[in-house]
Amino acid sequence: EAGVAQSPRYKIIEKRQSVAFWCNPISGHATLYWYQQILGQGPKLLIQFQNNGVVDDSQLPKDRFSAERLKGVDSTLKIQPAKLEDSAVYLCASSLGLESDTQYFGPGTRLTVL
Amino acid sequence: AQTVTQSQPEMSVQEAETVTLSCTYDTSENNYYLFWYKQPPSRQMILVIRQEAYKQQNATENRFSVNFQKAAKSFSLKISDSQLGDTAMYFCAFMNFGNEKLTFGTGTRLTIIP
Repeated sequence: EAGVAQSPRYKIIEKRQSVAFWCNPISGHATLYWYQQILGQGPKLLIQFQNNGVVDDSQLPKDRFSAERLKGVDSTLKIQPAKLEDSAVYLCASSLGLESDTQYFGPGTRLTVL
Repeated sequence: AQTVTQSQPEMSVQEAETVTLSCTYDTSENNYYLFWYKQPPSRQMILVIRQEAYKQQNATENRFSVNFQKAAKSFSLKISDSQLGDTAMYFCAFMNFGNEKLTFGTGTRLTIIP
């Protein structure tokens, strides 16, 4: 079974530029999550999708971050414009969507904002 | 809001020894789930073990076991016969019953010394 795929693995941009990350969850997984992991901290949930609907985006800085999962499969997270403090690893995870189901994580995208 | 605290930023232990990682959490809920995730260097996060709060029996997975003390809100991870491949960041995480959002601690960096 293929795992959660993410691209790119690394991205370096200058502040005020835009960037997009892509995630393809495990086949059949209804729920998709985007986490932000700042160096030295645990992952923090940014947004949770159930199929193509948003379940929780309370921690998403909506003035600069956006995410979509149009067909209920893969997802894109965008930052526009980026700030220095956005430097982090962005993790995508997916689960079947059942009660307390295990979340499977992708390898992450390491973003550096200069 | 739930919080998860890991008070040991770094630990090291000789190969084949036993090590215990600490985790405490704060919640007013009675039904919830607790997890330990492992994040090896430059590799993706994987689930090590999970515990349902309603279960009195401590979870075990091969060399990994937990000591779940619900009244004390403590959830420690014991790794027996440690191996070089156990070197990783270990994150304790909390999930409320009926809510799939994971709240992570800040992690413990574990190094197994040959």
